[in-house]
Amino acid sequence: ETGVTQTPRHLVMGMTNKKSLKCEQHLGHNAMYWYKQSAKKPLELMFVYNFKEQTENNSVPSRFSPECPNSSHLFLHLHTLQPEDSALYLCASSQGQGTLDTGELFFGEGSRLTVL
Amino acid sequence: TQLLEQSPQFLSIQEGENLTVYCNSSSVFSSLQWYRQEPGEGPVLLVTVVTGGEVKKLKRLTFQFGDARKDSSLHITAAQPGDTGLYLCAGQFSGTYKYIFGTGTRLKVLA
Repeated sequence: ETGVTQTPRHLVMGMTNKKSLKCEQHLGHNAMYWYKQSAKKPLELMFVYNFKEQTENNSVPSRFSPECPNSSHLFLHLHTLQPEDSALYLCASSQGQGTLDTGELFFGEGSRLTVL
Repeated sequence: TQLLEQSPQFLSIQEGENLTVYCNSSSVFSSLQWYRQEPGEGPVLLVTVVTGGEVKKLKRLTFQFGDARKDSSLHITAAQPGDTGLYLCAGQFSGTYKYIFGTGTRLKVLA
């Protein structure tokens, strides 16, 4: 596999469920990102990890919990979500701080989340 | 609030026409990217501009970074239906790994 892979592509969950989104990058990058894309709103940066360390938490509610066990994998754990959390969740990677980062983001295809 | 405003928001044109999309901010960026996103997919990078005043060409697409590194434009010559998509600009702040995305321009090119 190449690039950035996200699973699942589609997820429907109730407000009391607990689920996780998974992202894996095969590019040898060291920085990974979660973005939220809602209708009629710009892409919203949620979290940034650089060499497994969280460097950005953009005031995201605690019902979203990120996990980055290594530079290739990123998870977003979801619990007690609200209907307004329904959106496309995009994972991205870049070369990372301390490297010759060209400032380019490589995105996965996204996980479409619907909260009932 | 750090914002990247794009204009126009929506654009529907005939095949063969030219168009320009603008990306404006009050913030200075160390680099600025343009992405295109098609339905059901993630954004795909088109170009990165780094130097103020820089102009880059990618076939029929011309990208310009403002002299003050606060704004950018994307010009498409002789648009084709394959150019249809959501165009996003994204600015990177110096010394951070924070990329702020613009509000997006949804382009539809009619055959």
